[in-house]
Amino acid sequence: ELKVEQNPLFLSMQEGKNYTIYCNYSTTSDRLYWYRQDPGKSLESLFVLLSNGAVKQEGRLMASLDTKARLSTLHITAAVHDLSATYFCAADPNTGNQFYFGTGTSLTVIP
Amino acid sequence: DAGVIQSPRHEVTEMGQEVTLRCKPISGHNSLFWYRQTMMRGLELLIYFNNNVPIDDSGMPEDRFSAKMPNASFSTLKIQPSEPRDSAVYFCASSSSGGAQTQYFGPGTRLLVL
Repeated sequence: ELKVEQNPLFLSMQEGKNYTIYCNYSTTSDRLYWYRQDPGKSLESLFVLLSNGAVKQEGRLMASLDTKARLSTLHITAAVHDLSATYFCAADPNTGNQFYFGTGTSLTVIP
Repeated sequence: DAGVIQSPRHEVTEMGQEVTLRCKPISGHNSLFWYRQTMMRGLELLIYFNNNVPIDDSGMPEDRFSAKMPNASFSTLKIQPSEPRDSAVYFCASSSSGGAQTQYFGPGTRLLVL
């Protein structure tokens, strides 16, 4: 079974700072997904990374995928309070449509 | 598109009662997933269907849980009898086998079993 690990689990950062969330997975996967969940809400798709070296950016968030290292990163640039949420990564092991989710990273941006 | 639709959005019931959660996937999607989310266990996949056929139900906690997908536009997750430890948020998600295969989540059903 594919294992997905995220770190850190909790992240408290000041506005304006940069930080990176890491997502490691245990077996071959060419597809990696990032989701955002606000408190009491559902999961919202942020990025889909479909190949090695893929990079996607939206506003202050940038995601990348290194399939050889089995690593995806979500980089936050100049954080703002609105980015406070829990971020999940999910890997697809290419055996069907099933995703394996990480434990999530709870991000709090402090003014 | 209306997105994934779930009902009810909130359910409060007493231990021992039957609970039925409903999901309508996005039109054209052929995969449907049921997840459970709790603080203690995080996000767990319970079961998923491809083309209305259950593919993997290894995440279903026990025989009290059952899921059906009688057609491409409707699925149910039933708990009978319910127990307090079943209290959680239950999400339904759907995806298409083509393209990026992103799973789109419904708003969830918040279940409280007293």
